[in-house]
Amino acid sequence: DTEVTQTPKHLVMGMTNKKSLKCEQHMGHRAMYWYKQKAKKPPELMFVYSYEKLSINESVPSRFSPECPNSSLLNLHLHALQPEDSALYLCASSQVGTSGSSYEQYFGPGTRLTVT
Amino acid sequence: GDSVTQMEGPVTLSEEAFLTINCTYTATGYPSLFWYVQYPGEGLQLLLKATKADDKGSNKGFEATYRKETTSFHLEKGSVQVSDSAVYFCALRKVYNQGGKLIFGQGTELSVKP
Repeated sequence: DTEVTQTPKHLVMGMTNKKSLKCEQHMGHRAMYWYKQKAKKPPELMFVYSYEKLSINESVPSRFSPECPNSSLLNLHLHALQPEDSALYLCASSQVGTSGSSYEQYFGPGTRLTVT
Repeated sequence: GDSVTQMEGPVTLSEEAFLTINCTYTATGYPSLFWYVQYPGEGLQLLLKATKADDKGSNKGFEATYRKETTSFHLEKGSVQVSDSAVYFCALRKVYNQGGKLIFGQGTELSVKP
């Protein structure tokens, strides 16, 4: 099973709302990722969690707040977003080797976010 | 810094035509290379990978060979189908101690007509 699931599939929120995106995997992967993808563009890395600890933050604005409650779950909390934050948000997961090197990433189907 | 360059699209082919999508990279060390495919309205799916020079990745009729001398990883398929219509991303993996980082090319949109 190489499935990464994401909920919700679509989300519309106002600029004053607080919402959360959820991601789950049951492949035993210990690295999990959030990406943002605009139309016709490649995904842009936002955050990396390794062994449930935040290891990479690509200078993402604080209105995006990640959380990794356990090795299977990854959340992205959203608050006071701007219309330009509208995008497809992708979650991914991968193994982490004993030497620290990681393996191929498996992506979820994404959450299509619209900020009004 | 590390980067990936893909041929620009869109690429439009007739069914059963031969497909090549060019990908070249710039990287220090020995990156692993990947092709991902994104069908309309979906996330990315790993299509194939190669982890060292001269490795050939293959899947679903698609192939790509890791060419270190030309820093290339071109995607090929002998006979495309309408169902292959999608956006294809070439990527390399940078390795960090706490997790890998994928560096993507800009993507190439493929449209296959019956």
